[in-house]
Amino acid sequence: AQKVTQAQTEISVVEKEDVTLDCVYETRDTTYYLFWYKQPPSGELVFLIRRNSFDEQNEISGRYSWNFQKSTSSFNFTITASQVVDSAVYFCALARDNYGQNFVFGPGTRLSVLP
Amino acid sequence: DAGITQSPRHKVTETGTPVTLRCHQTENHRYMYWYRQDPGHGLRLIHYSYGVKDTDKGEVSDGYSVSRSKTEDFLLTLESATSSQTSVYFCAISESSGAISPLHFGNGTRLTVT
Repeated sequence: AQKVTQAQTEISVVEKEDVTLDCVYETRDTTYYLFWYKQPPSGELVFLIRRNSFDEQNEISGRYSWNFQKSTSSFNFTITASQVVDSAVYFCALARDNYGQNFVFGPGTRLSVLP
Repeated sequence: DAGITQSPRHKVTETGTPVTLRCHQTENHRYMYWYRQDPGHGLRLIHYSYGVKDTDKGEVSDGYSVSRSKTEDFLLTLESATSSQTSVYFCAISESSGAISPLHFGNGTRLTVT
């Protein structure tokens, strides 16, 4: 069975602090994909990144970076120099390519960035 | 932005009444999904579709049915709504490209069952 754990339910930081959101996954598949989504207070779900299981390179996009480690089954997300606009719920998700491209989401981490 | 429209955006209904939520896409994507979002549970898959008239159950399908008669439309029906189905419902789409494509979500439907 596939499972995604986001142990941090809520995190509060002060603006300009760095923050890391943890994501640990479980799967028996050798080919799988990992995703991060952002849900701001307005409610929409925004795709941030996709990573496949064969690509362990870390990725950086502006203030955002992702650390994928198969050895620890983790796909952590770091925001550098956080801003108030980063306040949102962040979801990590795991998908495998069977008949329905099933996606399993973690419970989410609510990040509050205080001014 | 992906062309996904959910209707209605908000609905209040009484226990025992049937409810249908509609998802319409303009992207011609193969895959369509219905998720529900509840506090502490994240997003849970209700049903999904991998083509016209091809659907399958997700994790929390009891009490729900779906239909997809056209590529662009995916309907979610609550045959007899219960208070436990009060939730925010999201439709999502993804294309088939050999690798798994990201889900793109609609703006959600907030359903309250009284």
